[in-house]
Amino acid sequence: QVQLVESGGGVVQPEKSLTLSCTASGFSFSPYVMHWVRQAPGKGLEWVAVIFFDGSQKYYADSVKGRFTISKDDSRSTLYLQMNSVTVDDTGLYFCARVREKHFYDSAWDLWGQGTLVTVSS
Amino acid sequence: SYVLTQPPSVSVAPGQTATITCGGKNIGSKSVHWYQQRPGQAPVLVVYDDKDRPSGIPERFSGSNSGNTATLSIRGVEVGDEADYYCQVWDDPSSHYVFGIGTKVTVL
Repeated sequence: QVQLVESGGGVVQPEKSLTLSCTASGFSFSPYVMHWVRQAPGKGLEWVAVIFFDGSQKYYADSVKGRFTISKDDSRSTLYLQMNSVTVDDTGLYFCARVREKHFYDSAWDLWGQGTLVTVSS
Repeated sequence: SYVLTQPPSVSVAPGQTATITCGGKNIGSKSVHWYQQRPGQAPVLVVYDDKDRPSGIPERFSGSNSGNTATLSIRGVEVGDEADYYCQVWDDPSSHYVFGIGTKVTVL
């Protein structure tokens, strides 16, 4: 079925690195703009990063710019988030999400994964 | 950066209408999307482009957007509608996607 499955979360020490993956199935991955969104424990949703369908544009929230890198591998139908120099403020549930309309960066997000939990702790 | 303002909570009796507002400067010129998040679950899109519903979303959910306020209305509220609701827009000048803080809907 059509789904997104995140993986790679876990406990990581401050200032270390972690890479999250989001594997798509049931649909053609390459034409879609993809996002990462996170949610700190008990808090609201925070957009993290976006990658355009062709990889030509990548945008980041100010809180992660310069530390996180979003990428995709269409051959593997997989989205990635490389997280460097993590801090305790990066703790949370990380979701990947797909836009509703192919190619459109301002389209709503109609498919979400269940999330992978990242805990930054010494 | 662009700011979206939502009330933290809304309480409504079963069968009544819940109204959730999302304020932002000239938000009427943007496309607003609304997401429902039940406890322990991933968000679900309930309204996109101000007023359109994805397939499978009941007609009880409706949206509007004008001036400085977008609104999500849930008509005939049911216990199953208890959730957090988030508005979201794309802010072109900053190339950022913005969420409101979320509104917790409680069915009394």
